[in-house]
Amino acid sequence: AQKVTQAQTEISVVEKEDVTLDCVYETRDTTYYLFWYKQPPSGELVFLIRRNSFDEQNEISGRYSWNFQKSTSSFNFTITASQVVDSAVYFCALSENSGAGSYQLTFGKGTKLSVIP
Amino acid sequence: DSGVTQTPKHLITATGQRVTLRCSPRSGDLSVYWYQQSLDQGLQFLIHYYNGEERAKGNILERFSAQQFPDLHSELNLSSLELGDSALYFCASSVEGMSNQPQHFGDGTRLSIL
Repeated sequence: AQKVTQAQTEISVVEKEDVTLDCVYETRDTTYYLFWYKQPPSGELVFLIRRNSFDEQNEISGRYSWNFQKSTSSFNFTITASQVVDSAVYFCALSENSGAGSYQLTFGKGTKLSVIP
Repeated sequence: DSGVTQTPKHLITATGQRVTLRCSPRSGDLSVYWYQQSLDQGLQFLIHYYNGEERAKGNILERFSAQQFPDLHSELNLSSLELGDSALYFCASSVEGMSNQPQHFGDGTRLSIL
């Protein structure tokens, strides 16, 4: 069975600080996809990024960056110059083959980020 | 706005009752997934439908069932409700259901059992 671990349950930072959210995964698949989702206080789940197991290039999107390291089975997420609007629960997820051409997301427990003004 | 619509947003009912949650996927998406989010279990996959057919089941109780209709909207039926069924239920959709396709989530239905 696949597993996603987000060891940090809660993190608090002061506005403008950088923060890194950790994600470690386990899978036997050689091809797999990893995702990050954001759940703001309003409750919806917002897709942030997808990364496949063949692409270890870091990705940057504005203040967000992602570091994927296959050797350590990690897919960490960094927010630079954090803002109050970044306060949310962030989920790392792994796409898992359910059989019969179906793929489900296995989620970590989430990291609650609080950005203090 | 993800394009996935879930109704109702909130549902309050009593133990032993039956409820139906509804989901309309994004335009063009053929796959619909249901997830349950609770404090103790986190986000858990329940069931996946693709173009009207059930494709996979996760940790879905026998008291729960789902279907996807010809117009691709889906319904999740929860019966003989128990206090422990109180949770946020998400519907997600993707184009086909392949591993590389992100699933786009609706805003969820918050179910409270009294």
